[in-house]
Amino acid sequence: EIVLTQSPGTLSLSPGERATLSCRTSQSGPNSYLAWYQQKPGQAPRLLIFATSSRATGIPDRFSGSGSGTDFTLTISRLEPEDFAVYYCQQYGREYIFGQGTKLEIK
Amino acid sequence: QVQLQESGPGLVKPSETLSLTCTVSRGSFSPFYWTWIRQAPGKGLEWIGKIYSSGKTNYSPSLRSRVTMSVDTSKNQFSLRLTSVTAADTAVYFCAREAAHELDHWGQGILVTVSS
Repeated sequence: EIVLTQSPGTLSLSPGERATLSCRTSQSGPNSYLAWYQQKPGQAPRLLIFATSSRATGIPDRFSGSGSGTDFTLTISRLEPEDFAVYYCQQYGREYIFGQGTKLEIK
Repeated sequence: QVQLQESGPGLVKPSETLSLTCTVSRGSFSPFYWTWIRQAPGKGLEWIGKIYSSGKTNYSPSLRSRVTMSVDTSKNQFSLRLTSVTAADTAVYFCAREAAHELDHWGQGILVTVSS
């Protein structure tokens, strides 16, 4: 069974700073199968990044994804106030597996 | 752009069956896979399963014995049935559309509480 481990659990930063979120998978898979989502309280998750590094429709270019093998990263170059949320990585295999989430909070 | 909306009872008694429907609008229903995901209060996301517009299904191994999904293409709807529910099934249930290997459109979610 694939396990996705996200770190850190909570990230405290200020607007304007750079955020780096990590996702490690227990099994290597195609890069096309790794995605990132943003979820704000009371809302559904929103697709940010698919296929490791492709931005979804309407996602600002301050969001970028990278990685390969078992280590993947979501980077937010300059944090805006609306970016503070929970972020999940997801890998597709026989089923969809999600990481436990990283909470990005205002410092 | 495509919109999804969950509907169904917000309260289900223990041991009974949870039934939800997702209605798809403003977009094509075929040929896509449609999924159900749930999120227990304060917890992460759990994939329940998916169904193709033709009716082919793929369920989470951990829930397979209790899950059934169906489609009604004439109404652009797909449904979830989860039997023998317990308090552990209390969650917000989301429906979503599968793109290639990710979920690109989501419903707003519906809270289902299992309680007597």
